[in-house]
Formats: sequence, C-alpha cells, structure tokens
Amino acid sequence: TQLLEQSPQFLSIQEGENLTVYCNSSSVFSSLQWYRQEPGEGPVLLVTVVTGGEVKKLKRLTFQFGDARKDSSLHITAAQPGDTGLYLCAGAVSGGSNYKLTFGKGTLLTVNP
Amino acid sequence: DTGVSQDPRHKITKRGQNVTFRCDPISEHNRLYWYRQTLGQGPEFLTYFQNEAQLEKSRLLSDRFSAERPKGSFSTLEIQRTEQGDSAMYLCASRGDRGRGTEAFFGQGTRLTVV
Repeated sequence: TQLLEQSPQFLSIQEGENLTVYCNSSSVFSSLQWYRQEPGEGPVLLVTVVTGGEVKKLKRLTFQFGDARKDSSLHITAAQPGDTGLYLCAGAVSGGSNYKLTFGKGTLLTVNP
Repeated sequence: DTGVSQDPRHKITKRGQNVTFRCDPISEHNRLYWYRQTLGQGPEFLTYFQNEAQLEKSRLLSDRFSAERPKGSFSTLEIQRTEQGDSAMYLCASRGDRGRGTEAFFGQGTRLTVV
C-alpha cells in the first residue's frame, strides 16, 4: 500500500492550460514537500508546507496543504513547456521520528508547445 | 558549498562486481539519506544517518548493501556482488536539524546500470 497516492499518474496538456495534481494519504503529516524532477536528475525542492490549510504560491504554481494535513494539491496556471517533468510529493508522518521522507510515485507532466 | 554532490553520475558494471558511490552533503547538514529510484517510481528510502550514526535501514537494503558516514561528513554506499535488479538511480539527500520543517535537498544522483 502506497502511503502517498498521487494523481493523475500521467498528464499531457497544451501550453497555456491550467492543471491540478493531487497528493492524498490516510496519514497525517507534520510537513509535506513538493519536488520536480527532470530525467536523469535528482528531485529539486519546490516548496514545503507545514500548517493545515496553508497555501503557498511560487510564480504560476499554487500549493495547498489540506486542513487535516493528510493531502495536498499543486495547481499550475498557464502551463509552459518548461514545466514538463515529474512532480513528486513527499511527507514526514506526524508522530513518527519526523526524519524520514516518504514519496509518492509522482505525476509525469508533459506540456506540449 | 552549493548543494549535495554525488559521484559518479553514471556507473555501468558487470553483474557480480562491487560498486561504491559517494555523497557529499551540504556542509552544515547533519542528516543524510540514501534513496533508490527505479523507472516510473518515486524514490524509496534506503537508509538514514544522523551525523555518523546510521539510525535506520530499510528492508530494501539487503546484506549486499552497506553504507557508511565516517566523521559525519561524506557518505558512501557500497553494493557487493551486483545484480541486474540493482540497476536504478541512487539518490542522496541531506537536511539540517529544523524540527518540523523537513526540507531535504537532493543530489543529482548516480545512475547504476548492471549488465
């Protein structure tokens, strides 16, 4: 059983469209991170959310942490080909040792020009 | 110090050979992780160090795998008697001691191919 479920697994859209990807769990997380990974490279940290209900914006990217700290979403406005990549969410389970990040399988986004 | 550094970036080895990877974390980070990532999957946790102490090892880390972090600085991951199933991207990450904020920064990874 995957601790963090990401959906959709694959997403192919045209440049200029909006999209939302989701990261869901039955566990409560003390914090959750979103990463973007390009082929052959390591994941690059985009944002960390810590407080339930928190919303963070990074240019055209909007990240939200669920009120119960069990889920998160990433919304991209006016997607560009440079947004193409694997988007990973990762969390540290609340009440645990708080050091181990568990990853979802990721959403592979392709933005076509 | 600009980030986490891993060496080599790519390694091709014959089945049965031993390989060793190195990770240099961000200098002020006391926590270091190794992950493995196969195609179409997210990174899977292998092991964790706090300073020089290895505090947790995943069941994925068979007895052919060993990791060290002497002096709490760089770390090495060795795979003995490699198998084709060991082919994967091996990622290293580090973070400082920031309480609830568990921001981990990753290196570029070592891509291992066992032929």
